[in-house]
Amino acid sequence: ETGVTQSPTHLIKTRGQQVTLRCSSQSGHNTVSWYQQALGQGPQFIFQYYREEENGRGNFPPRFSGLQFPNYSSELNVNALELDDSALYLCASRNRGGRTEAFFGQGTRLTVV
Amino acid sequence: AQRVTQPEKLLSVFKGAPVELKCNYSYSGSPELFWYVQYSRQRLQLLLRHISRESIKGFTADLNKGETSFHLKKPFAQEEDSAMYYCALKPTGGGNKLTFGTGTQLKVEL
Repeated sequence: ETGVTQSPTHLIKTRGQQVTLRCSSQSGHNTVSWYQQALGQGPQFIFQYYREEENGRGNFPPRFSGLQFPNYSSELNVNALELDDSALYLCASRNRGGRTEAFFGQGTRLTVV
Repeated sequence: AQRVTQPEKLLSVFKGAPVELKCNYSYSGSPELFWYVQYSRQRLQLLLRHISRESIKGFTADLNKGETSFHLKKPFAQEEDSAMYYCALKPTGGGNKLTFGTGTQLKVEL
């Protein structure tokens, strides 16, 4: 058990709506990153947060935003949902500094209809 | 920009046969390469990284900078090796920013 949990596990939203996905990181993990995994594809990097500030972003529009909290939890927010946003969303956390791997959560399956 | 290519979507081998999962990358600097594995109904987890030069569950991978490859190998496949395998690249100073390939489904048949 890695200690990284995501909620909810499944979610269905309507196009145009907004969604918030949550991730609870392992204690002491001060870096969290979010990935989008479309069907049949590898995970794609969305952004990374370190000490509650965005610290790197992939090729995703501004309607994808995030927050990281002092209690090692974080959120991914997506506004104005589009059908193509349907995917598995993964969070991964690690302790920046030292030799530690990134631990992945089990993911949230988002379906936009 | 970096890119990771896994040319095979599916690789099927018999138990006891050698396995090689191919991974090629493009990156102008010195990347860190990883193999991640996802067993059925489980989360993505790290299998091995090139800087460790270790063997995990009988798997090894050598970084070939000349061929920009990081192929995953195992001499004798086991049924429990059946899973989805992803090759991933992290650029220098890239934090958690991993670039993944599209993955190869390994199926070990009896």
